[in-house]
Amino acid sequence: AQSVTQLGSHVSVSEGALVLLRCNYSSSVPPYLFWYVQYPNQGLQLLLKYTTGATLVKGINGFEAEFKKSETSFHLTKPSAHMSDAAEYFCAVSVNSGYSTLTFGKGTMLLVSP
Amino acid sequence: DSGVTQTPKHLITATGQRVTLRCSPRSGDLSVYWYQQSLDQGLQFLIQYYNGEERAKGNILERFSAQQFPDLHSELNLSSLELGDSALYFCASSAPGAYNEQFFGPGTRLTVL
Repeated sequence: AQSVTQLGSHVSVSEGALVLLRCNYSSSVPPYLFWYVQYPNQGLQLLLKYTTGATLVKGINGFEAEFKKSETSFHLTKPSAHMSDAAEYFCAVSVNSGYSTLTFGKGTMLLVSP
Repeated sequence: DSGVTQTPKHLITATGQRVTLRCSPRSGDLSVYWYQQSLDQGLQFLIQYYNGEERAKGNILERFSAQQFPDLHSELNLSSLELGDSALYFCASSAPGAYNEQFFGPGTRLTVL
């Protein structure tokens, strides 16, 4: 079974500062990794995903994440935070199995101050 | 817009009642997933259907049931409702062989009074 740990339920940054949201996963087989964003009163929207190939993946809105197998991590970054980035972010993992589902972390709320 | 639709958007009901939430997946997607999101429990996977058949079960209560119909839309039935069932209920869908990449609907907010 796979699992996800997101460090920090809340992260606060200033507008223009680096955003770093941490995600560590546990999986006995090569994982597929995802970051989703949820704005207030909305559904989850896929930001980016890692399946195979290049370990640095770029997503929407200037976000990117790097798959580091040795550290079992998939941290989300953005060089410069914007007020519109304030939302909750979820890391998720699945594996290559017909019966696999997504396992989500508990989420990290990103707060952006002017 | 993810292409996944859910109705109704809001639902207010009383304890002990039964409600049905409806989900239509994206065109071509065969899998439908149901999730419950609440402040205390976070985002919890309830159940998955693939092409009409139950594929995986998560933390779904016995008072809850779901089904996926031949046209691939799905319904989540919640019965004997309790105050603690108040939550956002999301449906998601995914395409075959798509690494379980899921597309989420806008959710149904259920309030049990």
